[in-house]
Amino acid sequence: NAGVMQNPRHLVRRRGQEARLRCSPMKGHSHVYWYRQLPEEGLKFMVYLQKENIIDESGMPKERFSAEFPKEGPSILRIQQVVRGDSAAYFCASIPTLSQETQYFGPGTRLLVL
Amino acid sequence: GQNIDQPTEMTATEGAIVQINCTYQTSGFNGLFWYQQHAGEAPTFLSYNVLDGLEEKGRFSSFLSRSKGYSYLLLKELQMKDSASYLCAVRPIKAAGNKLTFGGGTRVLVKP
Repeated sequence: NAGVMQNPRHLVRRRGQEARLRCSPMKGHSHVYWYRQLPEEGLKFMVYLQKENIIDESGMPKERFSAEFPKEGPSILRIQQVVRGDSAAYFCASIPTLSQETQYFGPGTRLLVL
Repeated sequence: GQNIDQPTEMTATEGAIVQINCTYQTSGFNGLFWYQQHAGEAPTFLSYNVLDGLEEKGRFSSFLSRSKGYSYLLLKELQMKDSASYLCAVRPIKAAGNKLTFGGGTRVLVKP
């Protein structure tokens, strides 16, 4: 039973380019959370999605950031026109149902914007 | 608003005990989590407290006092591999869908 998968593990982009981060939740998990971790800081919630729905995006920057979790395939976090301040580790976590307390985290994608 | 405080860094000796404190002020409370995170890796679940008291799991124990907004993680018989960051996270009761609010993490360095 594979854990939460994220790819790529490392991503380098130049300012102004787009970054696409992918997250495949654990098998049977239909709830996905994205968190961002800036260097030397804690994780900050960004967005919570269920299949085909964004439930809570209160932690997402209003511009340039979007997320989706289609019926088929992984969840995608998309950052358009990246800036240096977007350099961070982006983690996703999943749970099977809301009655399950524990979120299981993927290995993260480390984004470096040059 | 949400505010979770934990020390930035702690150092301890192999074989010793270390206690990592976490205080929180949140708009509601529905559980507190501790995660371990080694450098460059994913956070891994350690413990979950929703009721007051002590939860013990092998060398790791976690305590919660809801009235004081306080928790601690106790690591006993420290091993070198316990050098990591320890993250305290709270699930506010009004939050939709179990999102977690994290503290800044406590970096624990275990010395021989």
